[in-house]
Amino acid sequence: EVQLVESGGGLVQPGGSLKISCVTSGFIFSGSALHWVRQASGRGLEWIGRIRTKNNNYATTYGESVKGRFTISRDDSKNTAFLQMDSLQTEDSAVYFCARASPLYSSRDSFNYFPLDVWGRGTTVTVSS
Amino acid sequence: DIQLTQSPSFLSASVRDRVTITCRASQGVAGYLAWYQQKPGKAPKLLIYGASTLQSGVPSRFSGSGSGTDFTLTITSLQPEDFGTYYCQQLDTYPLSFGGGTKVEIK
Repeated sequence: EVQLVESGGGLVQPGGSLKISCVTSGFIFSGSALHWVRQASGRGLEWIGRIRTKNNNYATTYGESVKGRFTISRDDSKNTAFLQMDSLQTEDSAVYFCARASPLYSSRDSFNYFPLDVWGRGTTVTVSS
Repeated sequence: DIQLTQSPSFLSASVRDRVTITCRASQGVAGYLAWYQQKPGKAPKLLIYGASTLQSGVPSRFSGSGSGTDFTLTITSLQPEDFGTYYCQQLDTYPLSFGGGTKVEIK
């Protein structure tokens, strides 16, 4: 069974840092891009960023609201991805989800798309003094 | 950045009703659009990708259509378990983005 499990969330003061993890199992982690998405309480989904595979030089891309403050990394030997969050602000309080991007075939278009097909349950980060 | 506008933001419908949710992109995203369902306290679940391809295991009452800037998610016969919030997401251009969501309530 494919699983993603986030951990490491908690309470942190404004200006502080936190590193959360996404441990995966049931698939070839090294062959998949991994995304992070967050959701503030009662709000919608916000895409944070993604990390590609070794074949794609572990390239990362970030959303504007976290660029320069958040860093995504991965350890393929441990099937784990990480989200390092620095200079945290109260508006970063949210549930943080990791999600796998898989090649899924479209017969209509005759090629693969890469939607977020499996998600973890999320870990809660609260930024407050 | 590409903005996605969903409508309506809320809808209340009866079992067996036909439900339609729309998603409009601020610029063309070709067919790089996905739909997700999220229930309270749970992670989102992929329903449709490539604008119209049903993810494995998703009931056939769900369907998607559209290309470019205008997309639709249709539930042909609403079931009690279909309550929740539905989000569209564009995967054409980074940064990726989600629509604001449509909350579906069963009357």
